[in-house]
Amino acid sequence: DAKTTQPNSMESNEEEPVHLPCNHSTISGTDYIHWYRQLPSQGPEYVIHGLTSNVNNRMASLAIAEDRKSSTLILHRATLRDAAVYYCILIDNYGQNFVFGPGTRLSVLP
Amino acid sequence: DVKVTQSSRYLVKRTGEKVFLECVQDMDHENMFWYRQDPGLGLRLIYFSYDVKMKEKGDIPEGYSVSREKKERFSLILESASTNQTSMYLCASRMDTSGANVLTFGAGSRLTVL
Repeated sequence: DAKTTQPNSMESNEEEPVHLPCNHSTISGTDYIHWYRQLPSQGPEYVIHGLTSNVNNRMASLAIAEDRKSSTLILHRATLRDAAVYYCILIDNYGQNFVFGPGTRLSVLP
Repeated sequence: DVKVTQSSRYLVKRTGEKVFLECVQDMDHENMFWYRQDPGLGLRLIYFSYDVKMKEKGDIPEGYSVSREKKERFSLILESASTNQTSMYLCASRMDTSGANVLTFGAGSRLTVL
Protein backbone atom coordinates (compact mmCIF):
# COMPACT_ATOMS: atom_id res chain seq x y z
CA ASP A 1 0.00 0.00 0.00
CA ALA A 2 1.26 3.46 -0.85
CA LYS A 3 2.10 5.43 2.27
CA THR A 4 2.76 9.06 3.06
CA THR A 5 5.26 10.73 5.37
CA GLN A 6 4.76 14.12 6.96
CA PRO A 7 6.63 16.14 9.58
CA ASN A 8 5.26 15.59 13.06
CA SER A 9 4.75 19.27 13.77
CA MET A 10 5.10 22.73 12.28
CA GLU A 11 4.68 26.23 13.54
CA SER A 12 3.52 29.36 11.79
CA ASN A 13 2.79 32.95 12.63
CA GLU A 14 -0.69 34.29 12.16
CA GLU A 15 -1.41 35.83 8.74
CA GLU A 16 1.67 34.25 7.18
CA PRO A 17 1.59 31.54 4.51
CA VAL A 18 2.10 27.94 5.60
CA HIS A 19 3.49 25.17 3.42
CA LEU A 20 2.77 21.67 4.73
CA PRO A 21 4.82 19.00 2.92
CA CYS A 22 3.93 15.38 2.23
CA ASN A 23 6.11 12.69 0.68
CA HIS A 24 4.54 9.79 -1.17
CA SER A 25 7.38 8.25 -3.15
CA THR A 26 5.50 4.99 -3.84
CA ILE A 27 2.40 6.66 -5.27
CA SER A 28 0.83 4.86 -8.21
CA GLY A 29 -0.59 6.48 -11.32
CA THR A 30 -4.20 6.19 -10.18
CA ASP A 31 -3.76 7.40 -6.60
CA TYR A 32 -5.50 10.62 -5.63
CA ILE A 33 -3.83 12.85 -3.05
CA HIS A 34 -6.26 13.95 -0.35
CA TRP A 35 -5.73 16.37 2.51
CA TYR A 36 -7.85 16.47 5.63
CA ARG A 37 -7.52 18.38 8.85
CA GLN A 38 -8.74 17.70 12.35
CA LEU A 39 -9.56 20.54 14.70
CA PRO A 40 -9.52 19.84 18.45
CA SER A 41 -12.41 17.67 19.63
CA GLN A 42 -13.79 17.22 16.11
CA GLY A 43 -13.67 14.60 13.39
CA PRO A 44 -11.39 15.18 10.39
CA GLU A 45 -12.71 17.47 7.67
CA TYR A 46 -11.87 17.50 3.98
CA VAL A 47 -9.54 20.25 2.78
CA ILE A 48 -8.56 19.53 -0.81
CA HIS A 49 -7.57 16.76 -3.20
CA GLY A 50 -5.88 16.35 -6.56
CA LEU A 51 -4.50 13.86 -9.05
CA THR A 52 -1.84 15.54 -11.17
CA SER A 53 -2.49 19.25 -11.52
CA ASN A 54 -2.30 21.89 -8.82
CA VAL A 55 -5.65 22.67 -7.23
CA ASN A 56 -7.13 25.68 -5.49
CA ASN A 57 -10.24 26.06 -3.39
CA ARG A 58 -11.48 28.52 -0.80
CA MET A 59 -9.63 26.77 1.99
CA ALA A 60 -6.22 26.08 0.50
CA SER A 61 -4.06 25.26 -2.49
CA LEU A 62 -2.48 21.94 -3.35
CA ALA A 63 0.80 21.88 -5.21
CA ILE A 64 1.71 18.49 -6.68
CA ALA A 65 5.24 17.75 -7.82
CA GLU A 66 5.69 16.86 -11.47
CA ASP A 67 6.72 13.28 -10.58
CA ARG A 68 3.85 13.14 -8.03
CA LYS A 69 6.17 11.81 -5.34
CA SER A 70 5.45 14.75 -3.09
CA SER A 71 2.85 17.42 -2.56
CA THR A 72 2.43 20.57 -0.52
CA LEU A 73 -0.67 21.97 1.11
CA ILE A 74 -0.57 25.75 1.12
CA LEU A 75 -2.56 27.89 3.52
CA HIS A 76 -2.20 31.37 2.13
CA ARG A 77 -2.76 33.29 5.37
CA ALA A 78 -2.80 31.21 8.51
CA THR A 79 -5.33 32.09 11.18
CA LEU A 80 -5.60 30.83 14.73
CA ARG A 81 -8.51 28.66 13.57
CA ASP A 82 -6.17 26.79 11.23
CA ALA A 83 -4.38 25.21 14.18
CA ALA A 84 -5.09 21.51 13.65
CA VAL A 85 -3.61 18.17 12.68
CA TYR A 86 -3.27 17.93 8.89
CA TYR A 87 -3.38 14.54 7.20
CA CYS A 88 -2.15 13.71 3.72
CA ILE A 89 -3.51 10.40 2.40
CA LEU A 90 -3.58 8.50 -0.87
CA ILE A 91 -6.75 6.96 -2.23
CA ASP A 92 -6.57 4.78 -5.33
CA ASN A 93 -9.10 4.77 -8.11
CA TYR A 94 -10.88 1.84 -6.51
CA GLY A 95 -11.38 3.94 -3.41
CA GLN A 96 -9.05 1.93 -1.25
CA ASN A 97 -5.80 2.49 0.62
CA PHE A 98 -7.28 5.22 2.80
CA VAL A 99 -4.60 5.03 5.46
CA PHE A 100 -4.26 7.96 7.84
CA GLY A 101 -0.83 8.39 9.40
CA PRO A 102 -0.09 10.58 12.45
CA GLY A 103 -0.29 13.76 10.33
CA THR A 104 1.33 17.17 10.98
CA ARG A 105 0.28 19.17 14.00
CA LEU A 106 0.20 22.83 12.95
CA SER A 107 0.49 25.49 15.63
CA VAL A 108 -0.36 29.08 14.72
CA LEU A 109 1.17 31.79 16.86
CA PRO A 110 -0.58 35.13 17.31
CA ASP B 1 -23.88 19.49 3.04
CA VAL B 2 -23.46 15.84 3.89
CA LYS B 3 -24.03 15.14 7.49
CA VAL B 4 -22.63 12.17 9.37
CA THR B 5 -24.15 11.84 12.81
CA GLN B 6 -22.76 9.65 15.54
CA SER B 7 -25.34 8.90 18.19
CA SER B 8 -23.19 9.37 21.27
CA ARG B 9 -20.33 11.81 21.82
CA TYR B 10 -19.27 10.25 25.12
CA LEU B 11 -19.89 6.78 26.55
CA VAL B 12 -18.65 5.05 29.66
CA LYS B 13 -19.03 1.27 29.79
CA ARG B 14 -17.78 -1.55 31.97
CA THR B 15 -15.55 -4.41 30.90
CA GLY B 16 -17.59 -7.19 29.32
CA GLU B 17 -20.53 -5.02 28.33
CA LYS B 18 -21.87 -5.05 24.80
CA VAL B 19 -21.49 -1.66 23.15
CA PHE B 20 -23.28 -0.28 20.10
CA LEU B 21 -21.96 2.78 18.29
CA GLU B 22 -24.40 4.12 15.74
CA CYS B 23 -23.63 6.22 12.69
CA VAL B 24 -26.13 7.74 10.27
CA GLN B 25 -25.47 9.68 7.05
CA ASP B 26 -28.08 11.67 5.19
CA MET B 27 -26.79 11.88 1.60
CA ASP B 28 -27.34 8.40 0.21
CA HIS B 29 -23.64 7.55 0.29
CA GLU B 30 -22.74 4.00 -0.64
CA ASN B 31 -19.56 3.65 1.40
CA MET B 32 -19.22 3.91 5.17
CA PHE B 33 -16.25 3.45 7.48
CA TRP B 34 -15.35 3.04 11.13
CA TYR B 35 -11.98 4.21 12.44
CA ARG B 36 -10.50 4.41 15.89
CA GLN B 37 -8.09 7.15 16.87
CA ASP B 38 -5.49 6.86 19.60
CA PRO B 39 -2.73 9.32 20.56
CA GLY B 40 0.37 8.85 18.43
CA LEU B 41 -1.25 6.22 16.19
CA GLY B 42 -3.38 8.34 13.88
CA LEU B 43 -6.61 6.89 12.53
CA ARG B 44 -6.81 3.14 12.09
CA LEU B 45 -9.48 1.52 9.95
CA ILE B 46 -11.62 -1.06 11.75
CA TYR B 47 -14.27 -1.98 9.18
CA PHE B 48 -15.80 -0.52 6.07
CA SER B 49 -18.84 -1.20 3.94
CA TYR B 50 -19.27 -0.57 0.23
CA ASP B 51 -23.01 -1.18 0.25
CA VAL B 52 -25.92 -2.46 2.30
CA LYS B 53 -25.21 -5.80 3.97
CA MET B 54 -21.61 -5.70 2.73
CA LYS B 55 -18.64 -5.37 5.04
CA GLU B 56 -14.90 -5.60 4.74
CA LYS B 57 -12.29 -5.88 7.45
CA GLY B 58 -9.90 -3.01 7.87
CA ASP B 59 -6.55 -3.06 9.62
CA ILE B 60 -7.74 -3.78 13.17
CA PRO B 61 -11.08 -5.68 13.12
CA GLU B 62 -10.37 -7.95 16.11
CA GLY B 63 -12.86 -7.46 18.90
CA TYR B 64 -15.32 -5.59 16.68
CA SER B 65 -18.20 -6.39 14.36
CA VAL B 66 -20.39 -4.19 12.19
CA SER B 67 -23.89 -4.11 10.80
CA ARG B 68 -25.24 -2.33 7.74
CA GLU B 69 -28.92 -3.24 7.31
CA LYS B 70 -29.86 0.11 5.76
CA LYS B 71 -27.84 2.30 3.45
CA GLU B 72 -27.81 5.27 5.79
CA ARG B 73 -26.81 3.45 8.96
CA PHE B 74 -23.56 1.72 9.89
CA SER B 75 -23.21 0.30 13.39
CA LEU B 76 -20.05 -0.71 15.20
CA ILE B 77 -20.48 -3.41 17.83
CA LEU B 78 -18.14 -4.35 20.64
CA GLU B 79 -19.45 -7.75 21.74
CA SER B 80 -17.54 -7.69 25.03
CA ALA B 81 -15.84 -4.40 25.73
CA SER B 82 -12.32 -4.40 27.08
CA THR B 83 -10.21 -1.61 28.53
CA ASN B 84 -7.94 -1.60 25.46
CA GLN B 85 -10.93 -0.52 23.42
CA THR B 86 -11.04 2.80 25.21
CA SER B 87 -10.62 5.20 22.32
CA MET B 88 -12.14 7.83 20.05
CA TYR B 89 -14.28 6.19 17.35
CA LEU B 90 -14.88 8.00 14.09
CA CYS B 91 -17.43 7.17 11.44
CA ALA B 92 -17.12 8.40 7.85
CA SER B 93 -19.04 8.09 4.61
CA ARG B 94 -18.28 8.58 0.93
CA MET B 95 -20.39 8.65 -2.20
CA ASP B 96 -18.88 5.63 -3.93
CA THR B 97 -15.69 3.76 -4.70
CA SER B 98 -13.82 6.48 -6.51
CA GLY B 99 -10.60 8.04 -5.36
CA ALA B 100 -12.01 11.42 -6.32
CA ASN B 101 -14.74 11.20 -3.75
CA VAL B 102 -14.04 12.71 -0.37
CA LEU B 103 -14.65 11.24 3.07
CA THR B 104 -17.07 13.03 5.38
CA PHE B 105 -16.55 12.33 9.07
CA GLY B 106 -18.78 12.49 12.08
CA ALA B 107 -17.77 14.33 15.24
CA GLY B 108 -16.60 11.16 16.95
CA SER B 109 -17.65 9.02 19.90
CA ARG B 110 -15.29 8.88 22.85
CA LEU B 111 -15.63 5.52 24.57
CA THR B 112 -14.19 4.78 27.99
CA VAL B 113 -14.21 1.18 29.18
CA LEU B 114 -13.68 0.75 32.92
